[in-house]
Amino acid sequence: DGGITQSPKYLFRKEGQNVTLSCEQNLNHDAMYWYRQDPGQGLRLIYYSQIVNDFQKGDIAEGYSVSREKKESFPLTVTSAQKNPTAFYLCASSIGTALEAFFGQGTRLTVV
Amino acid sequence: GIQVEQSPPDLILQEGANSTLRCNFSDSVNNLQWFHQNPWGQLINLFYIPSGTKQNGRLSATTVATERYSLLYISSSQTTDSGVYFCAVVYGQNFVFGPGTRLSVLP
Repeated sequence: DGGITQSPKYLFRKEGQNVTLSCEQNLNHDAMYWYRQDPGQGLRLIYYSQIVNDFQKGDIAEGYSVSREKKESFPLTVTSAQKNPTAFYLCASSIGTALEAFFGQGTRLTVV
Repeated sequence: GIQVEQSPPDLILQEGANSTLRCNFSDSVNNLQWFHQNPWGQLINLFYIPSGTKQNGRLSATTVATERYSLLYISSSQTTDSGVYFCAVVYGQNFVFGPGTRLSVLP
């Protein structure tokens, strides 16, 4: 089936550790996005990529890093510099920049 | 940057009732989408509607881009319609989300 797969679904991290969230799509979409959602809030853009080997910071990029080495994959690393990483992380893709977006199921990250 | 507002913030309905959710935005946008976030957190695409009116079953949406608003209509609501409804506008190269409307449909 075509779609966007995020893994893991739940992730626990100790303070001071880096963790990487996976996002894979088989829709042949060029653009991919990472959003963060805090409880009861809307979505805020962390990073986006319009094409392979290129990515741009969003509104809340501090403490996060990404790579886009393959069209299908856009992993997000939450570094120890992110002061409050506990949140729900959503990955999305669209066939072109800012065209109709489709979302994965999300990863819920908890710092313990 | 652009401001996206949604109203009402919370809505409680009895099953079978109709409702209208509103999304206002402060600047011209390229496109607009409506999503439903289910209790498990997944965002489900409802409409991709830069302008005009679309219908899908009990749901329909209208965007009037020149007046900077969009409406989502839910008719004959069901308990499975409960959740949070987001509008997202395309501004520049990205999607900017509103704060959402939390809908609770009671049996």
